[in-house]
Amino acid sequence: ILNVEQSPQSLHVQEGDSTNFTCSFPSSNFYALHWYRWETAKSPEALFVMTLNGDEKKKGRISATLNTKEGYSYLYIKGSQPEDSATYLCAPYYGGSQGNLIFGKGTKLSVKP
Amino acid sequence: DAGVTQSPTHLIKTRGQQVTLRCSPKSGHDTVSWYQQALGQGPQFIFQYYEEEERQRGNFPDRFSGHQFPNYSSELNVNALLLGDSALYLCASSLMRGGRQPQHFGDGTRLSIL
Repeated sequence: ILNVEQSPQSLHVQEGDSTNFTCSFPSSNFYALHWYRWETAKSPEALFVMTLNGDEKKKGRISATLNTKEGYSYLYIKGSQPEDSATYLCAPYYGGSQGNLIFGKGTKLSVKP
Repeated sequence: DAGVTQSPTHLIKTRGQQVTLRCSPKSGHDTVSWYQQALGQGPQFIFQYYEEEERQRGNFPDRFSGHQFPNYSSELNVNALLLGDSALYLCASSLMRGGRQPQHFGDGTRLSIL
């Protein structure tokens, strides 16, 4: 059973703070890494899909990096805003018989105005 | 352009009953995956359908079964419901199998077992 770890479990920051989360995953047979944002009472929304070691993706104030050799990814939010409050899920995808996305438990971010 | 739609939004059943959940994928998508999210956990993969066949399956018992129709919509069936089946069931669609395409999720069906 593959284990995907996300840290921290929860985070409370003030508006304007920058923050980052970590996703750790087994690197063997790795194929792609997905990040999703899940706001309360909404459906999960795709942020990034990354595949290559050293990949860096950016979407507005949010960016992510990927290290496939050591099996981790960082998600950064610059200048957090209250609307960034959500649970951020990472999910590696493995080829072969491992199935579909393997989700971590997520990092719950709360941004206070 | 309609996104992924799931029905019903909420459902209450008793132990031993059977339930069917439905999902319509985003327009243009041909692959549907189902996930179960228990309280405090991340979504857990149940199975994936492509070209009307189950292509991948997670660690779920045979009580969980599914179907994909020619219009790409899908159903998740759960027989002999247990208390532990209480969860949020998410449907996600994507274009093509494989992990390089983002998945688009519906709002989920909240299933409660009494």
